[in-house]
Amino acid sequence: EVQLVESGGGLVQPGGSLRLSCAASGFTVSRNYMNWVRQAPGKGLEWVSIIYSGGSTYYADSVKGRFTISRDSSKNTLYLQMNSLRAEDTAMYYCARDPPGDGNGYFDYWGQGTLVTVSS
Amino acid sequence: QLVLTQSPSASASLGASVKLTCTLSSGHSSYAIAWHQQQPEKGPRYLMKLNSDGSHIKGDGIPDRFSGSSSGAERYLTISSLQSEDEADYYCQTWGTGIHGIFGGGTKLTVL
Repeated sequence: EVQLVESGGGLVQPGGSLRLSCAASGFTVSRNYMNWVRQAPGKGLEWVSIIYSGGSTYYADSVKGRFTISRDSSKNTLYLQMNSLRAEDTAMYYCARDPPGDGNGYFDYWGQGTLVTVSS
Repeated sequence: QLVLTQSPSASASLGASVKLTCTLSSGHSSYAIAWHQQQPEKGPRYLMKLNSDGSHIKGDGIPDRFSGSSSGAERYLTISSLQSEDEADYYCQTWGTGIHGIFGGGTKLTVL
């Protein structure tokens, strides 16, 4: 059974940093495209970042240069390093998997989310 | 520009059917989309991938009450025999070459 469990969220001051984790089970993270998607309070879904099975990474313009997506194959875990955080980064952060195979583009499994609050 | 448009809200009675619409922007009518359900206070759940020809791939455990169809640039999600747990936000999502994670604004479904 595929499961994704996020952790690492919390309250952080503007300009601070946080690292989110997404522990996966039931499949191999490094063999799939993996994403981070966020949802600000009361708002819709916003794609944040993707890491391809080959290792290429891409980011939404709103986080480019501040966020870094990575993975640890030995731990079967996806990460999102978030630096220079702003109030507008406040959101629930979800990890989501692309189905097996390259370039599917949609998300067939989601985690339950971890909440990031950026406030002084 | 690749954009998805959804009505903000919809409502239907318990036991009835409802058809939600997701519209692709001009020039993108051949694109596939995915439908996701988000129940209150929960993470999203993948329902199905829906192709332009109406064929679809459902997620694990998605009931037969959920079906998809396509016409031109419109992509539909039909939920029949509505149950109280179907009250949720429904998002469509698409993608393209070098384009990741385009979401519609979501439709809030109320079951009366």
